[in-house]
Amino acid sequence: EAGVTQFPSHSVIEKGQTVTLRCDPISGHDNLYWYRRVMGKEIKFLLHFVKESKQDESGMPNNRFLAERTGGTYSTLKVQPAELEDSGVYFCASSQDTGFGYTFGSGTRLTVV
Amino acid sequence: GQNIDQPTEMTATEGAIVQINCTYQTSGFNGLFWYQQHAGEAPTFLSYNVLDGLEEKGRFSSFLSRSKGYSYLLLKELQMKDSASYLCAVNFGNEKLTFGTGTRLTIIP
Repeated sequence: EAGVTQFPSHSVIEKGQTVTLRCDPISGHDNLYWYRRVMGKEIKFLLHFVKESKQDESGMPNNRFLAERTGGTYSTLKVQPAELEDSGVYFCASSQDTGFGYTFGSGTRLTVV
Repeated sequence: GQNIDQPTEMTATEGAIVQINCTYQTSGFNGLFWYQQHAGEAPTFLSYNVLDGLEEKGRFSSFLSRSKGYSYLLLKELQMKDSASYLCAVNFGNEKLTFGTGTRLTIIP
């Protein structure tokens, strides 16, 4: 089966610009998660979708971040406007059952300059 | 907070055995995962422990003691390709994972 796909793999943008990250989960996986790793820190949870609904968005840093999952398939994470501290690697993961068996994507490395 | 602690870096010799430890706060524990991550790649699932004891899977084994808030990942017959970061992550019962900072393991010939 195809894995979790993230696009783009790398993005360099200027402070104040907008960036949209995309995640295509494994087909049939209702659960989709976004995580982020800032340089030198641990991977941290951002939010969790079950199908198209946001189950938990307690990890979203602020209202500059907007995640969507229209139709319950792929998801986008938009950062608008981007700030320097948003730089990091954004991982998406999906699973069929909650709490077990995550499959991660390779991540999008975002650099804000 | 729900801190996960693991060593930052370790070095081991090809063919040898290495043990990577992970400690966590026990309140709310609902399962522990180990992931392997090569630079620039996706974290890949290695093991899952929810009950006390040792889970063996080929060259890799993972141990859990819930009362002590302690786990380790044991890698045997080390190969150069085992050089990677090893991530300890805990489910505290809220359907999301809390990660440690990861242990960067370097295998030397």
